[in-house]
Formats: sequence, structure tokens, C-alpha cells
Amino acid sequence: DGGITQSPKYLFRKEGQNVTLSCEQNLNHDAMYWYRQDPGQGLRLIYYSQIVNDFQKGDIAEGYSVSREKKESFPLTGTSAQKNPTAFYLCASSQPGLAVYNEQFFGPGTRLTVL
Amino acid sequence: GENVEQHPSTLSVQEGDSAVIKCTYSDSASNYFPWYKQELGKGPQLIIDIRSNVGEKKDQRIAVTLNKTAKHFSLHITETQPEDSAVYFCAASIGGYQKVTFGTGTKLQVIP
Repeated sequence: DGGITQSPKYLFRKEGQNVTLSCEQNLNHDAMYWYRQDPGQGLRLIYYSQIVNDFQKGDIAEGYSVSREKKESFPLTGTSAQKNPTAFYLCASSQPGLAVYNEQFFGPGTRLTVL
Repeated sequence: GENVEQHPSTLSVQEGDSAVIKCTYSDSASNYFPWYKQELGKGPQLIIDIRSNVGEKKDQRIAVTLNKTAKHFSLHITETQPEDSAVYFCAASIGGYQKVTFGTGTKLQVIP
């Protein structure tokens, strides 16, 4: 059963604590993405990775970091420098290529609440 | 970079009526336009997409149209049903590349 898993579904943290969100995919996709979703603002790209050991900043990367040591895993860490991290976080993957249009497959999301 | 605007932000229709959601994009190089449906508490799922070499595409009750000259594309849902209630996102990207730019979403409510 192929897909993307994100854990946990709900996460609570105290202000000032770092937090790491997990994303795993078994679709054998090269590209992975992290989005942040806030009410009324749609999906905003935090980081994306086209291949293992490589990643690029998206539109709102400040206060976040990622790693891509394995093809199937793309964890996101929010640091204490991230202002207002409370949001719904979505991980996605895709298999890019010049002949393949960029359909993204999304995980179920993690709702992070910082108290 | 690409900018995608989406309207309306909320839309209420009676069951059986049609719903239309409109998007505009800014980058003339964009050539792939997917539409995603997000149900409450879940991740978005692709429902239909269109490529720039096509003006219209239909899949049962949903259709998408694209006007490349005006940089407009729209989602049409006919004979709406309560299960169509969700948030819909349009998006634009350059095929084969990585970054997809999403619109801000439309919350569709179908009233039984």
C-alpha cells in the first residue's frame, strides 16, 4: 500500500522548544516537499528536495530546517527562531521529469500547536 | 516568481446546482495546472489537471478550462452533491520542474 505517512497527527509543544515533524514515503519518488497551511493563506512552500542530500528553500524557510539523508524520508525541524509555528503542516512527494507533469501526492498532515 | 490568485474564497451552492472557481496566474511559462480537493483534516488530493496544450478537460461532473492568453483557468462542478463540500486549491507549475505554486483555496459548501 503505497503512500506518504506523517507522524504524529497532532503535536503540542511549548514555546521555545524545537520540534521535528516526520515524513516518510514508499512511492519511490525523488522529490519531496514541506508546506505550511494557515487559514485563508493556502499552501506555502517551506522547503523542497529534488534528490537525496540536496534541498532548497521555499517561500517561508526562515526558522525551519530539513534533511534528506534517505530517499524515503524528509524530516522538518522548526527551531525556536520560527515565529508563530502553530499551523497544519503537509508533506508531499512527486516524481518529476521532463515528460512527467508534476502531480504531487500529499500526506495526511500534522497539526502543530505551540503553547 | 509565479503568483496564483483564486476566487472566491468561500462558495455556497444548493445541491444540484453548479459551482465555478476561478484562478489566474502570472508566469507565462507555466504549463501545468492541477486542481486539488482537501477534505477536513486531510491532505489535498488531485482531482483533475490540465496542460497548456489543451483548452478544456472533463471528468464526469468536473471540468477545467484554460485560457492561456488571459492566464485564466477555472474549475466547474456540475450537479453538486454534499460530498463535494471541501476546500479546493488551484495550482500552476512548469512541467518537469519541482515548484508548484498554489492558490489560496476556495471553501465550497453544498447545501442539501
